Amino acid sequence: QQPVQSPQAVILREGEDAVINCSSSKALYSVHWYRQKHGEAPVFLMILLKGGEQKGHEKISASFNEKKQQSSLYLTASQLSYSGTYFCGTVSMTTDSWGKLQFGAGTQVVVTP
Amino acid sequence: SAVISQKPSRDICQRGTSLTIQCQVDSQVTMMFWYRQQPGQSLTLIATANQGSEATYESGFVIDKFPISRPNLTFSTLTVSNMSPEDSSIYLCSVVGTGGTEAFFGQGTRLTVV
Repeated sequence: QQPVQSPQAVILREGEDAVINCSSSKALYSVHWYRQKHGEAPVFLMILLKGGEQKGHEKISASFNEKKQQSSLYLTASQLSYSGTYFCGTVSMTTDSWGKLQFGAGTQVVVTP
Repeated sequence: SAVISQKPSRDICQRGTSLTIQCQVDSQVTMMFWYRQQPGQSLTLIATANQGSEATYESGFVIDKFPISRPNLTFSTLTVSNMSPEDSSIYLCSVVGTGGTEAFFGQGTRLTVV
């Protein structure tokens, strides 16, 4: 079952912040975040494992609330290079799900000068 | 980390024909995954390619349409059979790192069916 991602799209001015949310109805083992530029393959940003951790990649950070099966990606002081479509991918705790990513619908981020 | 080479990077094919996509990994991996990304859409898992056994297909995908081979622990192929314009998509192979955490993707095969 596909995780629910919100918002669908966000337009930012350079330097502004944004939050992208990802929630699942299943118990999750991990949440992966990817960014995809037009015409390119998704690029891995970070992974959050069961345990409620937070991680950061430059000025992009994320959190994982395992009680709520929700993850949030924080874009801080956005740069033009942050433009793209962000996908969350989730791996659930069921035994036949190891390694299989269920992707959200994506959030299109446009950062303007 | 894993480095994945996928071929071809793009192709334009006639409807009714078949295309085989190759995925080569620089290290041995237990499972490889094939995803499809239709235009403007998210990624959808097609199947899991298991070495030594038949691939496991997700709901909505069948072996006759997407046969998969996995002859060894570093290589897999996905064939898109009897293509129609609806098969125009990006096809990506993926592997999971040895820690069972990060998923790595090939650069994808952009398929256009005319």
